Amino acid sequence: QVQLQESGPGLVKPSQTLSLTCTVSGGSISSGGYYWTWIRQHPGEGLEWIGCIYYSGSTYYNPSLKSRLTISVDTSKNQFSLKLSSVTAADTAVYYCASDLGNDYGDHNWFDPWGQGTLVTVSS
Amino acid sequence: DIQMTQSPSSLSASVGDRVTITCRASQSISSYLNWYQQKPGKAPKLLIYAASSLQSGVPSRFSGSGSGTDFTLTISSLQPEDFATYHCQQSYSTPLTFGQGTRLEIK
Repeated sequence: QVQLQESGPGLVKPSQTLSLTCTVSGGSISSGGYYWTWIRQHPGEGLEWIGCIYYSGSTYYNPSLKSRLTISVDTSKNQFSLKLSSVTAADTAVYYCASDLGNDYGDHNWFDPWGQGTLVTVSS
Repeated sequence: DIQMTQSPSSLSASVGDRVTITCRASQSISSYLNWYQQKPGKAPKLLIYAASSLQSGVPSRFSGSGSGTDFTLTISSLQPEDFATYHCQQSYSTPLTFGQGTRLEIK
């Protein structure tokens, strides 16, 4: 049973870079068949897909965040990471990692499982 | 981007009621539609995938239907543990998008 766990600072200063890591257990990122995904939820609001990465390195980013976003994978640690630069208060949210059943041809399916989520607050 | 619109945004119902939540896509997404349940302070949980397939372990009182642009999630007989927020999500094309959520409250 694959499990995901987010980790990273809960407080980031404006204009700095938000960095989070998702550790995958119970399965190998390198086995293929999944997009490793970041999703966020602003307080009291709906869900926003941030982007994803395949183990091969192929990435898909939300155009609204693309200029500030980097998602990477470390297969040796069975982890994938999110870096969002030049953050503002609008980036305050709960950040989730999840797996998306898919392939390296751009076919996406559904998110399951999810990590428990981590609240990141942008404030000085 | 494909816009997903859920209705209603909130709903009050009683235990035992039959409830239907609707999700409409701004363009055809075939059957690339998923439903999630989210309880306060928790991550969303997959309920229905590919419009009508029940995720393993999800009670059979949950069902999904639809294709193209119009989809529904039905709970046949509400149980106390079903009071939560429900989200639809399209996986037809990136950026992958969600509906705004439907909050199901106890009447």
